[in-house]
Amino acid sequence: DSGVTQTPKHLITATGQRVTLRCSPRSGDLSVYWYQQSLDQGLQFLIQYYNGEERAKGNILERFSAQQFPDLHSELNLSSLELGDSALYFCASSANRATAHTEAFFGQGTRLTVV
Amino acid sequence: GQQLNQSPQSMFIQEGEDVSMNCTSSSIFNTWLWYKQDPGEGPVLLIALYKAGELTSNGRLTAQFGITRKDSFLNISASIPSDVGIYFCAGQLGYGGATNKLIFGTGTLLAVQP
Repeated sequence: DSGVTQTPKHLITATGQRVTLRCSPRSGDLSVYWYQQSLDQGLQFLIQYYNGEERAKGNILERFSAQQFPDLHSELNLSSLELGDSALYFCASSANRATAHTEAFFGQGTRLTVV
Repeated sequence: GQQLNQSPQSMFIQEGEDVSMNCTSSSIFNTWLWYKQDPGEGPVLLIALYKAGELTSNGRLTAQFGITRKDSFLNISASIPSDVGIYFCAGQLGYGGATNKLIFGTGTLLAVQP
């Protein structure tokens, strides 16, 4: 158990809908990272937050957004969903190092299926 | 999205054999990371490399940061059944801002026959 909690574990929704994925980082970790894993694109870094502020952006679509709250949990919002958004979405957290992915621990992921 | 070239794509070996996989990029990285992912789980960091030429071990695992900073390899010695999984390399371009993003390799599926 990495200590990173993601909910829900599975999500099935229809095209055009909006969903919110939630991540609780390990206790004390200030950085949260979001990743997408799909069969055709592999693992892709989406976005990083550090202590409530956006720190780095990867291949995140404009239909997607994220935020980190004062209690350090994070949410990834996916809107106007398309079939191609079906994927595993991972959250990871790391301690105080705002600039590195090293020592980041991954959650078990949320499997999103868009039908 | 961008992915690093990782080879081989898959390996089927006997228990006790050594394994080698590598990752190449057209970009220079400041950090190389190696992860293992088990089915239904998130990736777990195995080794992190921070300097060109660096050779780092973690038990039976050894990884090196290429001198050109455009490649890295991972060796697993004396493989055991629990080594089964997908191994990913990842490179980080820099520190801070837009360069603070991780680019992953395409993955190597390792199967170990007892």
